[in-house]
Amino acid sequence: EDKVVQSPLSLVVHEGDTVTLNCSYEVTNFRSLLWYKQEKKAPTFLFMLTSSGIEKKSGRLSSILDKKELFSILNITATQTGDSAIYLCAVEDEGNYKLTFGKGTLLTVNP
Amino acid sequence: NAGVTQTPKFRVLKTGQSMTLLCAQDMNHEYMYWYRQDPGMGLRLIHYSVGEGTTAKGEVPDGYNVSRLKKQNFLLGLESAAPSQTSVYFCASSDPTGASNIQYFGAGTRLSVL
Repeated sequence: EDKVVQSPLSLVVHEGDTVTLNCSYEVTNFRSLLWYKQEKKAPTFLFMLTSSGIEKKSGRLSSILDKKELFSILNITATQTGDSAIYLCAVEDEGNYKLTFGKGTLLTVNP
Repeated sequence: NAGVTQTPKFRVLKTGQSMTLLCAQDMNHEYMYWYRQDPGMGLRLIHYSVGEGTTAKGEVPDGYNVSRLKKQNFLLGLESAAPSQTSVYFCASSDPTGASNIQYFGAGTRLSVL
């Protein structure tokens, strides 16, 4: 059974801080790892990682995958209040195209 | 650009009542999914469909049924609602034929069962 564990489950920081969110996983046939941001409503796609060691970057957000150690991190630099959200990590099993989600990290950025 | 649309957005049911949640996507995606999200539990897959006329069970299928009569629509039914089904329900769709299976989500339906 595929499994995704995210840590920490919640985090409170001040604007301008840098945060690192963790995602470890177990999957039978790894195809990809995805990060989503969920504010009030629908999860929205951030990054997809398929190759180990390659960093994906978008503005202040970046993510890297370690396929050997089976984890990924999501970094957010110079945090803003608009970064407050639940960040979800999911892994895709190549055999069935389903995503298995972690429980998420609730990030709160205070002014 | 509608993407994935869910109706209704909110619903309150009494125990034992039935209802159907509708999901429609305009991206011509083959795959569609229904998830439920509960506090501290993340997203859990209820049922999914890999194409018109096909459905399959996910992680938590008990108490739910689904139908995919048209490619663009995926219906989730509760035949006899129970308080344990109080949750936020998300529909998603994807096109897994390329190098990725990025799922795109609807805005969710908040369901309360009293």
